[in-house]
Amino acid sequence: QVQLVQSGAEVKKPGSSVKVSCKASGGTFSNYAFSWVRQAPGQGLEWMGRIVPLLEMTVYAQKFQGRVTITADKSTSTVYLELSSLKSEDSAVFYCARDSGVYSSPNWFDPWGQGTLVTVSS
Amino acid sequence: EIVLTQSPGTLSLSPGERVTLTCRASQSFSSTNLAWYQQKPGQALSLLIYGASRRATGVPDRFSGSGAGTDFTLTISRLEPEDFAVYYCQQYNSSPPTFGQGTRLEI
Repeated sequence: QVQLVQSGAEVKKPGSSVKVSCKASGGTFSNYAFSWVRQAPGQGLEWMGRIVPLLEMTVYAQKFQGRVTITADKSTSTVYLELSSLKSEDSAVFYCARDSGVYSSPNWFDPWGQGTLVTVSS
Repeated sequence: EIVLTQSPGTLSLSPGERVTLTCRASQSFSSTNLAWYQQKPGQALSLLIYGASRRATGVPDRFSGSGAGTDFTLTISRLEPEDFAVYYCQQYNSSPPTFGQGTRLEI
């Protein structure tokens, strides 16, 4: 069974960037695609983008285009989310999740990482 | 993008009761590309249902999903204490995938 373990909580200043990691274990990393989802207080869940490590292909939600970068390191089975130009409204819990499909999109998500809280505050 | 509206926002129920949660889409789906997730406090989301009615591995059979088009439901036949949580629907019929705002089940 695939398990996803994310990096710890972060506190960032407005205007800075944050990079969150998500390490996969228990499966063949290159067989999967991964997405990132943001859960902001009172804002619900927002899909930010996905990566297919085997194809080195990324797709980003229009809302985050230009500010988000999703990368993968196949050697460590780790996916990364980097969000730049942080604002206080970006304070949220960020989740990685495995896509149910690789070559088809969009998909449902299973499993999910435990979440990483990012707080943006001056 | 497709907007999902869940109702009600919060439900107060007792263990043993039956409950049906609703998820309505702003556009009709041509297929049953809808999932349901459970989220307990401080925990990640957990997949319950995909394909509108297919239970994920390990999900108890008291959970069932149905619907098509614009109206989808999640039914819990007999609430167990561990079922009190927040439930989200998600569509994957078109990009971007979107989520409902959630329904909270409280004791």
